[in-house]
Amino acid sequence: DTGVSQDPRHKITKRGQNVTFRCDPISEHNRLYWYRQTLGQGPEFLTYFQNEAQLEKSRLLSDRFSAERPKGSFSTLEIQRTEQGDSAMYLCASSPQGLAGAEQFFGPGTRLTVL
Amino acid sequence: DAKTTQPPSMDCAEGRAANLPCNHSTISGNEYVYWYRQIHSQGPQYIIHGLKNNETNEMASLIITEDRKSSTLILPHATLRDTAVYYCIVRVAYNNNNDMRFGAGTRLTVKP
Repeated sequence: DTGVSQDPRHKITKRGQNVTFRCDPISEHNRLYWYRQTLGQGPEFLTYFQNEAQLEKSRLLSDRFSAERPKGSFSTLEIQRTEQGDSAMYLCASSPQGLAGAEQFFGPGTRLTVL
Repeated sequence: DAKTTQPPSMDCAEGRAANLPCNHSTISGNEYVYWYRQIHSQGPQYIIHGLKNNETNEMASLIITEDRKSSTLILPHATLRDTAVYYCIVRVAYNNNNDMRFGAGTRLTVKP
């Protein structure tokens, strides 16, 4: 399967712990996005990379959140000092640049539960 | 990006056409209408998008009104596997900042 993959699929952690999620986009896609989705709501944009450059960050991305895409391929999203309000599905998507970039391809998500 | 309004839920009988409406009265001239769907426990899946002309692909048809203030996604022969949340999004395509702004969507339930 050459789609977007995310790891882990599920993560349970205790409040105050740090967690890191990984996203592997479709190989030829140079754009990568992170979204967060809480129960009953649509996904909310968090941040966006073009190659290794982080070009946009939502105000939802507090200081405890950091995302990287060091070589322009896979990306990681780290949450420090997790809070119960961080419990959500974290979705990654990728797209090619330019005219073909209209469609974003989503991964299956990482479901985070903070106890 | 313009906001959209969708009914929170709809039912459809299996084998019948499902018509999902979306209002986007503040859409700008350079904004496209996109539809995605999200089946339970999966990531969103792209369905179709259009600017002003009606569009059709293997999954669905998109009908956009002449004034572009509303649109309808049509699933011509709904199956049980089409049960999902359907999101209508308007945004500028082919832009550097092309994140998706999802609303709450319409939960479509296809019944046997």
